[in-house]
Amino acid sequence: GENVEQHPSTLSVQEGDSAVIKCTYSDSASNYFPWYKQELGKGPQLIIDIRSNVGEKKDQRIAVTLNKTAKHFSLHITETQPEDSAVYFCAASRTGNEKLTFGTGTRLTIIP
Amino acid sequence: NAGVTQTPKFQVLKTGQSMTLQCAQDMNHNSMYWYRQDPGMGLRLIYYSASEGTTDKGEVPNGYNVSRLNKREFSLRLESAAPSQTSVYFCASSEWGGNLADTQYFGPGTRLTVL
Repeated sequence: GENVEQHPSTLSVQEGDSAVIKCTYSDSASNYFPWYKQELGKGPQLIIDIRSNVGEKKDQRIAVTLNKTAKHFSLHITETQPEDSAVYFCAASRTGNEKLTFGTGTRLTIIP
Repeated sequence: NAGVTQTPKFQVLKTGQSMTLQCAQDMNHNSMYWYRQDPGMGLRLIYYSASEGTTDKGEVPNGYNVSRLNKREFSLRLESAAPSQTSVYFCASSEWGGNLADTQYFGPGTRLTVL
């Protein structure tokens, strides 16, 4: 089955700086890679996703890059703000398989 | 649209007691899921239902049962709770077969403590 590894487990960043979280996956057939943000006491919320037919996707301050050859993908947050403090999860799946495999999460803290 | 709703929000059980966690979605999604979240372990799939009338085991199904009551509702039952089942439980749903086939939407969670 799929295995997703996520690094780092914790990350502290000065407000205004950039944050990068990296994930690797094992199943070369995986073709869908979402990122979820979980605030304290709430359920995970999808913030961005990428499919294997593109290498990069941006949405305002958030971007995701995908390297299919190396089987890794990364979340980039620029101009970080205090409200970006949360736990972020990466995940992977393949179309036709309804199951997502999650990474173990990164706790991001933005230092004012 | 309320999205995915879960009840109860909090629950404390004694070892051996049983309970059912309820989940409902109003997005007309075909697929529904139950996850548990433990510190340092991310989200692990317990059971899922690809469509109404079907259920399948996920990564950690032992000690749980599920029922897909109809297209909207998917319940998770603990027949005899154990302290190892202390966790936060999340329900999720996704559309299946369309362009957004893989996007899962999560509920707010149920925090369960087993003493």
